[in-house]
Amino acid sequence: GQNIDQPTEMTATEGAIVQINCTYQTSGFNGLFWYQQHAGEAPTFLSYNVLDGLEEKGRFSSFLSRSKGYSYLLLKELQMKDSASYLCAAMDSNYQLIWGAGTKLIIKP
Amino acid sequence: GAVVSQHPSWVICKSGTSVKIECRSLDFQATTMFWYRQFPKQSLMLMATSNEGSKATYEQGVEKDKFLINHASLTLSTLTVTSAHPEDSSFYICSARGGRVAGELFFGEGSRLTVL
Repeated sequence: GQNIDQPTEMTATEGAIVQINCTYQTSGFNGLFWYQQHAGEAPTFLSYNVLDGLEEKGRFSSFLSRSKGYSYLLLKELQMKDSASYLCAAMDSNYQLIWGAGTKLIIKP
Repeated sequence: GAVVSQHPSWVICKSGTSVKIECRSLDFQATTMFWYRQFPKQSLMLMATSNEGSKATYEQGVEKDKFLINHASLTLSTLTVTSAHPEDSSFYICSARGGRVAGELFFGEGSRLTVL
């Protein structure tokens, strides 16, 4: 079956760095997405990886290893506004997104 | 980037009534839109895929007669929750593919439904 695993909750300190891991098992693979979702709001797109390696976009970076079925989202210089849920989603061979349950990130001052 | 607008943002209704939620792509044409439901502290659950000009494709366990989807134009899809019950209370979100990245989804603002 198809499955996405990511931690339920993580806590980090303002100004620090945090890495949110995601492992996936899908029927075929057409890319890995990360979305940010603040409480009570719809998700917003953060990143997309389809090739192995690290994609950097400002304070956020995303990494993919297709052979390991593994990705992570790296957040640097954490700000209080980064407190949100981070959703990992893998696209299968039918271009359907398989969603993880999300990782709630709590930022402490 | 592409904009998807959803309306209403909040709706409260009595049990047994029907509620319609609209999802519009404002600056692009969306042949396919997706409807999700999200319960508190849970991830998105795909309910159905809405295809312009044809019937929606429902996920397993989603009642198509209860959750009516109409995708009459390239910019509008509607979800009607018929004979709503308190257990239908949830956050409903639509999305459409419209970004430069293949498969990137743009989400509407979401509609929070409370059935009394």
